Amino acid sequence: DSGVTQTPKHLITATGQRVTLRCSPRSGDLSVYWYQQSLDQGLQFLIQYYNGEERAKGNILERFSAQQFPDLHSELNLSSLELGDSALYFCASSDGTGQMTNLNTEAFFGQGTRLTVV
Amino acid sequence: DQQVKQNSPSLSVQEGRISILNCDYTNSMFDYFLWYKKYPAEGPTFLISISSIKDKNEDGRFTVFLNKSAKHLSLHIVPSQPGDSAVYFCAASVGGGADGLTFGKGTHLIIQP
Repeated sequence: DSGVTQTPKHLITATGQRVTLRCSPRSGDLSVYWYQQSLDQGLQFLIQYYNGEERAKGNILERFSAQQFPDLHSELNLSSLELGDSALYFCASSDGTGQMTNLNTEAFFGQGTRLTVV
Repeated sequence: DQQVKQNSPSLSVQEGRISILNCDYTNSMFDYFLWYKKYPAEGPTFLISISSIKDKNEDGRFTVFLNKSAKHLSLHIVPSQPGDSAVYFCAASVGGGADGLTFGKGTHLIIQP
């Protein structure tokens, strides 16, 4: 158990809909990351939040957004869903400060949310 | 553009032998590299890491080698055990931390009895 909790585990929805994925980081971790794993792709970094603020952005579509709340849990919102958005969405957390340091921290991953768009 | 490449989608190794998983990268700014292991229906778990100031890091049966001039790293598992069967992801980052890791597509390691 990594200590990172993601809900729901599975989600099936129709094209054009909007869904929200939730992540609770490990206790004490301030950084939350979202990743997407499609069938033929490795893990793609989407976005990172640190202590409530956006810290880094990766290959995140404009239809997707995220936020981190004061209690440090995070939500990933996916809207106007398309068939190609079907994927595993992972959340990870770390105690990284969010600054460019030499802290050799690793990220701990949740079990993921499998999103199927039909 | 894949900045981290794992060119072998799968690798089959006999139990007890050495498993060598390879990873190449193109971004010379990467200075921290990690290997993650992933079982089906689970999230990736951290295995071992290496900073660009080193060329080798060892942890039990796992050793990671980094060749900066070739932009290549490898993970050695000796001896390979059945429980090592999983997908292994190579990841890299800029800035010495885990922020915004760039992952390869993974290599499925199968340990045969």
